[in-house]
Amino acid sequence: AQKITQTQPGMFVQEKEAVTLDCTYDTSDQSYGLFWYKQPSSGEMIFLIYQGSYDEQNATEGRYSLNFQKARKSANLVISASQLGDSAMYFCAMRNPGNQGGKLIFGQGTELSVKP
Amino acid sequence: GAVVSQHPSWVICKSGTSVKIECRSLDFQATTMFWYRQFPKQSLMLMATSNEGSKATYEQGVEKDKFLINHASLTLSTLTVTSAHPEDSSFYICSATGRGVAQPQHFGDGTRLSIL
Repeated sequence: AQKITQTQPGMFVQEKEAVTLDCTYDTSDQSYGLFWYKQPSSGEMIFLIYQGSYDEQNATEGRYSLNFQKARKSANLVISASQLGDSAMYFCAMRNPGNQGGKLIFGQGTELSVKP
Repeated sequence: GAVVSQHPSWVICKSGTSVKIECRSLDFQATTMFWYRQFPKQSLMLMATSNEGSKATYEQGVEKDKFLINHASLTLSTLTVTSAHPEDSSFYICSATGRGVAQPQHFGDGTRLSIL
């Protein structure tokens, strides 16, 4: 079965420090995509970063990087130099080619709070 | 990046009213659109997958007659909550995507529905 697991319901980080949000996944597919989204309190879902299953290098987008460990089936999000505006819910998600229409499977989410 | 417009942002209406929510992809042709429901502090729950010109595929447990989905064009999908009741109050959010496992879903800003 395909599944995404985020084991950290809530995380705190001091402003300007780095933080890692955990994500593990389960799939029998060889080809899949992993995504991270940010959801502020206003509700919109903001796409942050993508990692393909065949990508050999970890994805990076500005202050966001994805620590992809394929053998361990983990895709942790690293946010460097945290800012107050990073306080939000963060969702890890997976897209598989076999899923009808390419639907995303979401994790439970991690609520990140950045402290000044 | 890709833009998905969702209207309205807020709806407050009386029990028994039907409510229509629109989701438009503004700058790309979305092969598939998705409708989600989200309760506070929880993950997104997929309700249905909508493909242009065909019937929507509903997830298990979602009432097709209660949540009517129409995908008339590659840029527009609508969700109608028929005869809404207080238990239908929730945050509804749509997304649109193109083909391929690497394609992220682009989300609308969501609709907060409150049924009195």
